[in-house]
Amino acid sequence: EAQVTQNPRYLITVTGKKLTVTCSQNMNHEYMSWYRQDPGLGLRQIYYSMNVEATDKGDVPEGYKVSRKEKRNFPLILESPSPNQTSLYFCASSAYRVINTGELFFGEGSRLTVL
Amino acid sequence: AQSVAQPEDQVNVAEGNPLTVKCTYSVSGNPYLFWYVQYPNRGLQFLLKYITGDNLVKGSYGFEAEFNKSQTSFHLKKPSALVSDSALYFCAVRDPYSGAGSYQLTFGKGTKLSVIP
Repeated sequence: EAQVTQNPRYLITVTGKKLTVTCSQNMNHEYMSWYRQDPGLGLRQIYYSMNVEATDKGDVPEGYKVSRKEKRNFPLILESPSPNQTSLYFCASSAYRVINTGELFFGEGSRLTVL
Repeated sequence: AQSVAQPEDQVNVAEGNPLTVKCTYSVSGNPYLFWYVQYPNRGLQFLLKYITGDNLVKGSYGFEAEFNKSQTSFHLKKPSALVSDSALYFCAVRDPYSGAGSYQLTFGKGTKLSVIP
């Protein structure tokens, strides 16, 4: 089954404790992206990756890091989480050949609470 | 810069009645437009898209959307609402001519649709 898998789905942590949210897709997609969803703000892009070793900032990259060492994986790293990073996070992917016109495939989301 | 607006935070409709969820956009050229749906505790799912051609596009679950260039709108519609259509709906736009950022999809804030039995 084609899917984007995120882990963990739910996480409560404390300020400053480094954490990683993993994202893996099994569709051989080149393009992957991270979004955060906040009430009243919709989805905002954090980082995206066009392919292995090719990442770039989205609209709200501050406080986040990403890496793309393998095509299927695109982890989101919070080096020193703060309460304003409490949010619902989504990973998404798309095939490069249809990236302009094609749809994004989303993971189920990771709800992060930073105390 | 590209942007999209969903003017209604919530839409309530009775089961069996037609529904409309509104979306307006702003891009410098011809837009690519998308609708996504989010059911509770789930990720976003693609519903339909407009790239070019016929202004009325049909998508999943009986939904359709009409592209109106003069009004810069892309409203989502369904002739007869179901209780199971209750969800959060997002409109999204991509400007294919914006250069380096042309792959970026900009989402609206979402509209919560409640279908009342």
